[in-house]
Amino acid sequence: EVQLKESGPGLVQPSQTLSLTCTVSGFSLTDYSVHWVRQPPGKGLEWMGVMWSGGSTAYNSALKSRLSISRDTSKSQVFLKMNSLQTEDTAIYYCTRDDWDYWGQGVMVTVSS
Amino acid sequence: DIQMTQSPSLLSASVGDRVTINCKASQNINKYLNWYQQKLGEAPKLLIYNTNNLQTGIPSRFSGSGSGTDYTLTISSLQPEDFGTYFCFQHNSWPTFGSGTKLEIK
Repeated sequence: EVQLKESGPGLVQPSQTLSLTCTVSGFSLTDYSVHWVRQPPGKGLEWMGVMWSGGSTAYNSALKSRLSISRDTSKSQVFLKMNSLQTEDTAIYYCTRDDWDYWGQGVMVTVSS
Repeated sequence: DIQMTQSPSLLSASVGDRVTINCKASQNINKYLNWYQQKLGEAPKLLIYNTNNLQTGIPSRFSGSGSGTDYTLTISSLQPEDFGTYFCFQHNSWPTFGSGTKLEIK
């Protein structure tokens, strides 16, 4: 069964760095790419970036300067790091497989002091 | 980046009604258009992929159409469980989402 699950801190202080993990099962990260998508409360969805199955990455141009995505294929995990967090980064963060069908349940991240 | 303009933003309809939601892309997206339903507290659920392909397990009352820059999701006979927010999504180039349509059942 294909599953994705996000994990990370629920609260991050302004100007700090967010670190999230997407742990996948039921497929290999070398066969499928994994995207990160976020959704501010009550708002629409924003694509953040992707870890391609081949190991390279691509980022939303609006976030590129603050965002880094990496992976550990042996642990079936994809990592997101975003620095200089502000209140507008408060959102539910999702990881999703490249077929855009399988999504994690999301993790709520609040940026607040 | 491709902008997706979705309309209407709010839709109130009765059980049994035929409902349509529209998305217009800022440029040709070659039918790489998906539709999602999202309920409060849940991840988006894929309904239609690549314009008109019904995802497995999705009722046949959902259908999609379109080409070029203009796309439509149709629910042929609205059911009570169809409430929620619907998003269009293009993956022809760097992915972008529509702003959403909140569907309320009268």
